[in-house]
Amino acid sequence: SQELEQSPQSLIVQEGKNLTINCTSSKTLYGLYWYKQKYGEGLIFLMMLQKGGEEKSHEKITAKLDEKKQQSSLHITASQPSHAGIYLCGAVLAQGGSEKLVFGKGTKLTVNP
Amino acid sequence: DARVTQTPRHKVTEMGQEVTMRCQPILGHNTVFWYRQTMMQGLELLAYFRNRAPLDDSGMPKDRFSAEMPDATLATLKIQPSEPRDSAVYFCASGHGTGANTEAFFGQGTRLTVV
Repeated sequence: SQELEQSPQSLIVQEGKNLTINCTSSKTLYGLYWYKQKYGEGLIFLMMLQKGGEEKSHEKITAKLDEKKQQSSLHITASQPSHAGIYLCGAVLAQGGSEKLVFGKGTKLTVNP
Repeated sequence: DARVTQTPRHKVTEMGQEVTMRCQPILGHNTVFWYRQTMMQGLELLAYFRNRAPLDDSGMPKDRFSAEMPDATLATLKIQPSEPRDSAVYFCASGHGTGANTEAFFGQGTRLTVV
């Protein structure tokens, strides 16, 4: 079963629109990461959230962590074609005595000009 | 400009052949991860090392996969023998951490095709 669920799986928006991507964990979160990936390339680190209620912003991207709900959201304001790509959330989860950095399956974002 | 370097970027091989993928982590990073990405499964953690010691390789098929860190500047992932179902993009990531939270920096990946 998938430990990190992302929604939606894909999203198509018109340039200039706001959007939100969600990431929900089935286990307690010790930290939550957001990455962006373009096709055929590696993952680019966006943000790391460590504390419940924490919120970070970078340019037009804001991420929040709700530890109680075991979820995080990524919000993009006034989307641009450069925001297109696959957004992945990652989290350190305790499994079998060790801690692992695992990822959701990603949300594919398309921004139409 | 520090970055994780993976070689080769692309590899096409015949079923049954041995495949070795290499990763040079960012200098000073003490944690190295190996992931496999496919359309169906997404990004799967295969193994990770801290201070060159394997901490977890439970995500890796032991009969054909092996991961090592001969030294702090090189991590290898080997598949022997390779099978078509191994076709995927393999990513290496490195980070520096001692506890649960390690910001991981990813390489560009090795796209493996086994025919």
